[in-house]
Amino acid sequence: GENVEQHPSTLSVQEGDSAVIKCTYSDSASNYFPWYKQELGKRPQLIIDIRSNVGEKKDQRIAVTLNKTAKHFSLHITETQPEDSAVYFCAATTGNTPLVFGKGTRLSVIA
Amino acid sequence: SAVISQKPSRDICQRGTSLTIQCQVDSQVTMMFWYRQQPGQSLTLIATANQGSEATYESGFVIDKFPISRPNLTFSTLTVSNMSPEDSSIYLCSVDGQGSAFFGQGTRLTVV
Repeated sequence: GENVEQHPSTLSVQEGDSAVIKCTYSDSASNYFPWYKQELGKRPQLIIDIRSNVGEKKDQRIAVTLNKTAKHFSLHITETQPEDSAVYFCAATTGNTPLVFGKGTRLSVIA
Repeated sequence: SAVISQKPSRDICQRGTSLTIQCQVDSQVTMMFWYRQQPGQSLTLIATANQGSEATYESGFVIDKFPISRPNLTFSTLTVSNMSPEDSSIYLCSVDGQGSAFFGQGTRLTVV
């Protein structure tokens, strides 16, 4: 079955800097890759996603890139703000199976 | 996205007892999922709740411990049976949204 590896497990950046979180997946049939943000004590919230027919997707300060050949995808957050501090999870699915989540990255944005 | 209501939001239970968690969705969905999130950890799928058939359990989770009901396309329950302190965790229901998952607010369970 699918296995998703996520790095780093923790990340600290200065406010205004960029943050990058990377994930790799094992199942070449996976075709959908969402990213979730989970603030302390709250449910995971979908922030951006990408499908395998697209190499990059952007939404304001957040972007996701996908390299199908290498089976990895990344989350990029630019101009980070303190409210970006949270745990971020990547996930992957073939569409016929439930999502498989990475172990999460705890992002701290230091003002 | 679907609106998902989950209750209770938290509970403290005695070991050996059972707790049933309810999940209500504001629209009909084919599949509902139950996840466990242990403190500081990622989300682990417990089972997929299918309407009209038995739930499909992931490795390491069994029906006797986590019985699931799915009486219709908008509702599901997860029971945590014969609880021990190791069952202390957050339990989340979710629904499929064109590949992605939308989550209920979670149930924070503490077993003492």
